[in-house]
Amino acid sequence: QVQLQESGPGLVKPSETLSLTCTVSGASIRSDYWSWIRQPPGKGLEWVGFINIRASPYYNPSLGSRVTMSLDTSKNQFSLRLTSVTAADTAVYYCAKGRTLPDSWGQGTLVTVSS
Amino acid sequence: EVVLTQSPGTLSLSPGERATLSCRASQSLGNSYLAWFQQKPGQAPRLLISVASSRAPGIPDRFSGSGSGTDFTLTISRLEPEDFAVYYCQQYGGSPPTFGQGTKVDIK
Repeated sequence: QVQLQESGPGLVKPSETLSLTCTVSGASIRSDYWSWIRQPPGKGLEWVGFINIRASPYYNPSLGSRVTMSLDTSKNQFSLRLTSVTAADTAVYYCAKGRTLPDSWGQGTLVTVSS
Repeated sequence: EVVLTQSPGTLSLSPGERATLSCRASQSLGNSYLAWFQQKPGQAPRLLISVASSRAPGIPDRFSGSGSGTDFTLTISRLEPEDFAVYYCQQYGGSPPTFGQGTKVDIK
């Protein structure tokens, strides 16, 4: 059974870069698609993007050029970078398995953007 | 972008009752690429239904999905105490994938 665990700073200053890592166990990140999804406190879900070792990553156009995703096959991890953050980027960030249909999720990590 | 509109916003029911949740898409979903998720407080969403009507592994058969085109329904035949939660629909055929705003099922 695949398990995912997010890690990274819980507090980021405005205009700085948010960086999160998802550690995968029970599956190889070489073998599937991996996604990031976020949820502002008390609100709904927003797709951030997905990545696969054999294809170019896909990012939600609403985030423009601020988002980058990458894979580290040696550690079985994938990562998210979101630049120039504002308070609107405050959310619980989930990593998940799946290209567009997430069938396994991490527990989520709250990232607050505040000075 | 495909916009999903869920109704009602909140559904107040008693254990044992039937719950009917609606999800309407702003454009027709080819191949019925519509999923339903359940989310409890402090937890990640859990996949219940994919392709409009296919239950995910381990999901009880009291959960059922139906619909096609732009109108989809999630039905919980008899509510159990653990079913009180927020439910989201999601379309995964269009780009980007999008979610509805959620329906909260709470105890009457």
